[in-house]
Amino acid sequence: AQSVTQLGSHVSVSEGALVLLRCNYSSSVPPYLFWYVQYPNQGLQLLLKYTSAATLVKGINGFEAEFKKSETSFHLTKPSAHMSDAAEYFCAVTPYNNNDMRFGAGTRLTVKP
Amino acid sequence: GAVVSQHPSRVICKSGTSVKIECRSLDFQATTMFWYRQFPKQSLMLMATSNEGSKATYEQGVEKDKFLINHASLTLSTLTVTSAHPEDSSFYICSARERAGGLRWETQYFGPGTRLLVL
Repeated sequence: AQSVTQLGSHVSVSEGALVLLRCNYSSSVPPYLFWYVQYPNQGLQLLLKYTSAATLVKGINGFEAEFKKSETSFHLTKPSAHMSDAAEYFCAVTPYNNNDMRFGAGTRLTVKP
Repeated sequence: GAVVSQHPSRVICKSGTSVKIECRSLDFQATTMFWYRQFPKQSLMLMATSNEGSKATYEQGVEKDKFLINHASLTLSTLTVTSAHPEDSSFYICSARERAGGLRWETQYFGPGTRLLVL
C-alpha cells in the first residue's frame, strides 16, 4: 500500500521568498509521484510529476520537485513566490503498476505582499 | 492537451431528486475515470473507479446504489446521485486516465468539479 504525508497544513511566505512544501511518501513498489494545485472552487491542475526518469523535475509556473529515494521525499519548491501562487497544493503517489492514486491532506499556501 | 470537462459546474436540487454529473475527456481517450468527493478544506476522497465498458469499482463505504456510475464510452463517464439528501451536498471531481501505453497513461487529469447543493 502507498501513502503520502504532507508536513504543514498551512504555509505562509512573503512575495519573492522561497516556497518549500514538504511531501513524504510510503510505497511498497516504485512510485510515481505528483504535485497538483487547486484554486478555490476548481479542480486539480497538474504541476509536475516524477515517473522514474530524472529525479529533479521541473513543472509549470516555475515550480520544481526533487525525488529523493533515500529520504522518501518529493518536496516542492519555487525560488520566488508570487501572489498568484496562493492556492491548495496536493502531493499524490501511485504505484507504477496500477491505478491507485493516494493524496496527501493538502497544504494551503498563503503569499503575503 | 489532456483536458477534462465536467457538467454542470454547480447544481441545486431538492431532496429526493436525482442529479447526473457528466465527465468528459476532450482530447484523449480515457479507459479509466475516477470520481472523487471533496469536503471543505479537506483532501480528495476516492469514491469509485470506472473502466470503459465494465462496472465501476466502489471504495469501501460508498453506496453503489446511491452513486450510480456509467462509463459507456472512452470519453464520457457519468455519476448519478440518486434520491439526493442534504448530506450529499459536496464538491464532486472527476479525473481521467489515458489508456495503458499512452504517453501520459500514469497521470490523472482532473475536471473542474461540480458543486452540488441539496436543499
